[in-house]
Amino acid sequence: AQKITQTQPGMFVQEKEAVTLDCTYDTSDQSYGLFWYKQPSSGEMIFLIYQGSYDEQNATEGRYSLNFQKARKSANLVISASQLGDSAMYFCAMREGNWDSSNTGKLIFGQGTTLQVKP
Amino acid sequence: NAGVTQTPKFRVLKTGQSMTLLCAQDMNHEYMYWYRQDPGMGLRLIHYSVGEGTTAKGEVPDGYNVSRLKKQNFLLGLESAAPSQTSVYFCASSHTTVLRRKTGELFFGEGSRLTVL
Repeated sequence: AQKITQTQPGMFVQEKEAVTLDCTYDTSDQSYGLFWYKQPSSGEMIFLIYQGSYDEQNATEGRYSLNFQKARKSANLVISASQLGDSAMYFCAMREGNWDSSNTGKLIFGQGTTLQVKP
Repeated sequence: NAGVTQTPKFRVLKTGQSMTLLCAQDMNHEYMYWYRQDPGMGLRLIHYSVGEGTTAKGEVPDGYNVSRLKKQNFLLGLESAAPSQTSVYFCASSHTTVLRRKTGELFFGEGSRLTVL
């Protein structure tokens, strides 16, 4: 069964340092997509980055990068040069199957990791 | 741009009462979803819809009903609220692949906090 595991309930990082948030997934599909969302204390869900299972290169979006290790089934989020505004809960999520007209687009989410950036 | 709008934002119910959460999106998205968020459990899918007039069960559908009479609206109903339904509810929507949206990420509303006493 598909599953997303985030083993770090809480993390601390010093401002301006890099931090890695762990995510492992389990799926029997060869085609899938992996997502990271940020949830600040205000509660909204903000899409950060996406990695397709067939993408050869790790995804990057500004200070966010996804360390995709397919054989290990891990999709860790790396935040470089942490800022105070990065303090939030972060969710890893997965969509199984090809992203085509037969896909319902639903995501399954991990438990989340709370990141606190220290000044 | 309103995006995905949920009403109400907050609600307190007594056990056994009923209520409806409304989700409206103005992005012409085909797909819509209802999730609930509970501490330590992430977001879990309640019901979803892949188009007007269609609905399907997600991971935790018991105690909830949904309707999608109009493409832009997705309603979540609780017929007889229970304390176990105390949660934060999120509505989300997404493009279909027809629009060549490469990632298919979900766009979320701001959430609705429901407390059942």
